[in-house]
Amino acid sequence: DQQVKQNSPSLSVQEGRISILNCDYTNSMFDYFLWYKKYPAEGPTFLISISSIKDKNEDGRFTVFLNKSAKHLSLHIVPSQPGDSAVYFCAASLSKGTYKYIFGTGTRLKVLA
Amino acid sequence: EAGVAQSPRYKIIEKRQSVAFWCNPISGHATLYWYQQILGQGPKLLIQFQNNGVVDDSQLPKDRFSAERLKGVDSTLKIQPAKLEDSAVYLCASSLDMGWETQYFGPGTRLLVL
Repeated sequence: DQQVKQNSPSLSVQEGRISILNCDYTNSMFDYFLWYKKYPAEGPTFLISISSIKDKNEDGRFTVFLNKSAKHLSLHIVPSQPGDSAVYFCAASLSKGTYKYIFGTGTRLKVLA
Repeated sequence: EAGVAQSPRYKIIEKRQSVAFWCNPISGHATLYWYQQILGQGPKLLIQFQNNGVVDDSQLPKDRFSAERLKGVDSTLKIQPAKLEDSAVYLCASSLDMGWETQYFGPGTRLLVL
């Protein structure tokens, strides 16, 4: 049972344009969401997070939007740069119990110069 | 600040053999996680430690996998005996504490079982 889904396995975007990565979840109890970025042969690195009391969080070129009614979150990267080329994972967590993360399957972003 | 260290980086074994992975978390981090990432999938939590106690091992295949964090710092994950489907990247992560603390990942150990 895949509780966190990233339906686009890959995405290509021109440098300078906006990249939009999408994530859907099924468990309405999730109340904390994160995006991690992963380069080849490295571990995932934290990018940005959002709690369910917000619908938007910004950090520089990265913005995460949360639509609780649709159980959907998205990551916007503006402007996209070639160094953003990586695999992006969304993750969801519950604030009760062990706070463990449930990860999606990832989206490979390629930013074309 | 040093990151999460893992060794070895790569391991190739035959099925039914044993293998062990080592993780050294960021200094001062109380919570340590082991994840399994199969090709094309996201990381899946195997076990979570808080200091030297287990707080979640619900997805650890306990008939063949074991993990320990005896002194609340380093941790080892063992597979005995390995199966073909254990081929994956094993990621260790640590966080300052439980809760919504950011998890910091190591580079992972890539295991291939032949």
